[in-house]
Amino acid sequence: DIQMTQSPPSLSASLGDKVTITCQASQNINKYIAWYQQKPGKAPRLLIRYTSTLESGTPSRFSGSGSGRDYSFSISNVESEDIASYYCLQYVNLYTFGAGTKLELK
Amino acid sequence: EVQLVESGGGLVQPGRSLKLSCVASGFTFSNYGMNWIRQAPGKGLEWVAYISSGSSYIYYAETVKGRFTISRDNAKNTLYLQMTSLRSEDTALYYCARETTSFDYWGQGVMVTVSS
Repeated sequence: DIQMTQSPPSLSASLGDKVTITCQASQNINKYIAWYQQKPGKAPRLLIRYTSTLESGTPSRFSGSGSGRDYSFSISNVESEDIASYYCLQYVNLYTFGAGTKLELK
Repeated sequence: EVQLVESGGGLVQPGRSLKLSCVASGFTFSNYGMNWIRQAPGKGLEWVAYISSGSSYIYYAETVKGRFTISRDNAKNTLYLQMTSLRSEDTALYYCARETTSFDYWGQGVMVTVSS
């Protein structure tokens, strides 16, 4: 099974900040990583697939990068609507989510 | 508009069974693989099971293998999850999600509580 180590577990940011979340896979996942946003009481929303491909409707302030085992997800110019939890997902071999990162306002 | 609506959750005693359903609309259900994903209260997301469009391929997480069965009825646009030998650690919000290499559309979830 592939394990996904996501960090940090929580993040505190001011409006307008840039924040970055990382996920490290236990083996090469060949860029098959997606990123999800989840707000309280809501289902997760797919933001990015295949490392860096933004889904329709995903604001351009969201971005993703990486290769091999190491991947990152960034939000530039954090807005109040971005306050949520974020999860990575590997889908090269079945599916494994990262533990999640809770983004809060400073 | 793609919609996925789960039902069948509730309170169940340990060791008992429960069957969840997910009705799909707004897309050609028979063309897509489908998944069940769960989230324990206050915890992260855990993938549970996958079924291919024609039911030829089925996979389970190790935590549910041998206890849960995923199935589908393409004529009824419905996905199922039969859960048996339920344990307290199966308590979670269960989502169905459409497969397009990752999970692009999710239902709103149905709560399953396993407690005596």
